Amino acid sequence: DGGITQSPKYLFRKEGQNVTLSCEQNLNHDAMYWYRQDPGQGLRLIYYSQIVNDFQKGDIAEGYSVSREKKESFPLTVTSAQKNPTAFYLCASSVVGDSQETQYFGPGTRLLVL
Amino acid sequence: QKEVEQDPGPLSVPEGAIVSLNCTYSNSAFQYFMWYRQYSRKGPELLMYTYSSGNKEDGRFTAQVDKSSKYISLFIRDSQPSDSATYLCAMISYQGGSEKLVFGKGTKLTVNP
Repeated sequence: DGGITQSPKYLFRKEGQNVTLSCEQNLNHDAMYWYRQDPGQGLRLIYYSQIVNDFQKGDIAEGYSVSREKKESFPLTVTSAQKNPTAFYLCASSVVGDSQETQYFGPGTRLLVL
Repeated sequence: QKEVEQDPGPLSVPEGAIVSLNCTYSNSAFQYFMWYRQYSRKGPELLMYTYSSGNKEDGRFTAQVDKSSKYISLFIRDSQPSDSATYLCAMISYQGGSEKLVFGKGTKLTVNP
């Protein structure tokens, strides 16, 4: 049963703390993406990766970091430098060269600040 | 002016109504147009995509693109309570060899039984 999984479903962060959101896919997709969704706003791209060991900043990368050591995994770290981290975070994947209209999304992680 | 404008609603209709959801855009470089449906606390799922002006139909859903007016629509016929969700439009442009995907803010739809 192929798909994208994100964990945890809810994550609480204390001030000054780094937290890591997990994203795993078994679709054999080369490209993976992280988006942030805030109320009343569209999805905004944080980081994306088209190949293992390579990733690019999106529109709002400040305060975030990623790694792509394996094709299946693209974890996102929300660092203490991100001053407004409360949001719904979505991971997506797609086949490189197949254009972004066939992105598959994970169920999302809601990050809340204590 | 934002690249993609979408009325956030909320939009509330009775069951069986025809629903019209719309987005306007300012960048004539947009070539691919998509509609996503997102249920509460879930990730968006792709409903339809198209790249040409005109209509594309899939069951109760029709996507319409008017490139001359920079306007796209999603029509839902015989709406059902299970259609209650937030609908996001999205568009892709190709400029300078790079690809850019932009989402609308989403319109929240409630279909009342």
